[in-house]
Amino acid sequence: GESVGLHLPTLSVQEGDNSIINCAYSNSASDYFIWYKQESGKGPQFIIDIRSNMDKRQGQRVTVLLNKTVKHLSLQIAATQPGDSAVYFCAENPPEAGGTSYGKLTFGQGTILTVHP
Amino acid sequence: SAVISQKPSRDICQRGTSLTIQCQVDSQVTMMFWYRQQPGQSLTLIATANQGSEATYESGFVIDKFPISRPNLTFSTLTVSNMSPEDSSIYLCSVAVGLNSPLHFGNGTRLTVT
Repeated sequence: GESVGLHLPTLSVQEGDNSIINCAYSNSASDYFIWYKQESGKGPQFIIDIRSNMDKRQGQRVTVLLNKTVKHLSLQIAATQPGDSAVYFCAENPPEAGGTSYGKLTFGQGTILTVHP
Repeated sequence: SAVISQKPSRDICQRGTSLTIQCQVDSQVTMMFWYRQQPGQSLTLIATANQGSEATYESGFVIDKFPISRPNLTFSTLTVSNMSPEDSSIYLCSVAVGLNSPLHFGNGTRLTVT
């Protein structure tokens, strides 16, 4: 099947810096995208989502950017804190012929974010 | 968002045996799903748990290996049958409260098969 974000990169930042985590998706028909944060020993935690009719959406300290032209998604975290250290996954919701595809997410491989105090 | 509880949180099982994982949600949800996360990997959808009917499985997953039940809108079980070491993974229950709400995950069941 198609994949999202083939690599597992690592990003190390200093506390207080801004972080940018990138994700490439492969299904141009996907219409919904989500970012999750996964801490050790826990399940993925919803951060922010965006639909394909938008190119930017902001939350508390986080911003998601969607570039459909190059099939690229990014998560920006402002004033990164040690508590932000985790694995971050992007996920896309590709369409499915003949039925609803809602909830059937295709996940990227993840990015390890390490925040140094 | 809904509170999702999974039991057991972890288990070590012998090959050839089966394990049933329970997922309980504190409110009625529209949709429930089961995902697998192999060690150091990303998440893969196993199946959609349909209330009152047979689950819908993704490519590569079959009912005989992963039977699923969903008797009501707040509860589902996933059984990993005839286990082998390759089944060692984290199994995650996920739910959507409504069709336009994001998918939320439980903390998963960490399964080790020896």
